Amino acid sequence: DADVTQTPRNRITKTGKRIMLECSQTKGHDRMYWYRQDPGLGLRLIYYSFDVKDINKGEISDGYSVSRQAQAKFSLSLESAIPNQTALYFCATSDRTGTASGTYEQYFGPGTRLTVT
Amino acid sequence: DQQVKQNSPSLSVQEGRISILNCDYTNSMFDYFLWYKKYPAEGPTFLISISSIKDKNEDGRFTVFLNKSAKHLSLHIVPSQPGDSAVYFCAASPNDYKLSFGAGTTVTVRA
Repeated sequence: DADVTQTPRNRITKTGKRIMLECSQTKGHDRMYWYRQDPGLGLRLIYYSFDVKDINKGEISDGYSVSRQAQAKFSLSLESAIPNQTALYFCATSDRTGTASGTYEQYFGPGTRLTVT
Repeated sequence: DQQVKQNSPSLSVQEGRISILNCDYTNSMFDYFLWYKKYPAEGPTFLISISSIKDKNEDGRFTVFLNKSAKHLSLHIVPSQPGDSAVYFCAASPNDYKLSFGAGTTVTVRA
């Protein structure tokens, strides 16, 4: 089974609708992240969380909100979707203890392809 | 403003030859550099990394070189194999959580 899962994998929605993307992990990591990928721009950080009570804005948080319901669950919401939020969204996790050994690696889910019409 | 740049959007190489992927960065605070590989319909997977105290790190067929004075790193894949056909992302971080990614280079390995 995959360590980081995302639901749904694909979603088409209309402008103005509220939508939630969900992420679950079984790696036991305390840190979780949401990124979006756009053609020609790579991955950009939307929000990140170090634990259930810690939420931080990333590079492009406007128009998004997040909720860390448990250590293993981190959801991303678009309160009122707009067409330029059409993108590929990735959830990722990392282990704080890994940084002690210098491994900054983040583990990514398979992605959610979101289309806003 | 992108702080990590991969100026070659694509690279085609013959099987068995060397693939060289390049990455430039602008932020002198970046301390750690990573390469990720991504297949279609999958998330990026970690490939290899290097810290700023080193200039080379090798893992099997993959070697990453770091030139701090030039703010440049490269990934060498020798020999290239068909399974290496994927998108490769360069990433950099000034700490242990904020990764900045390049736009990616699509590698195609020809038989």
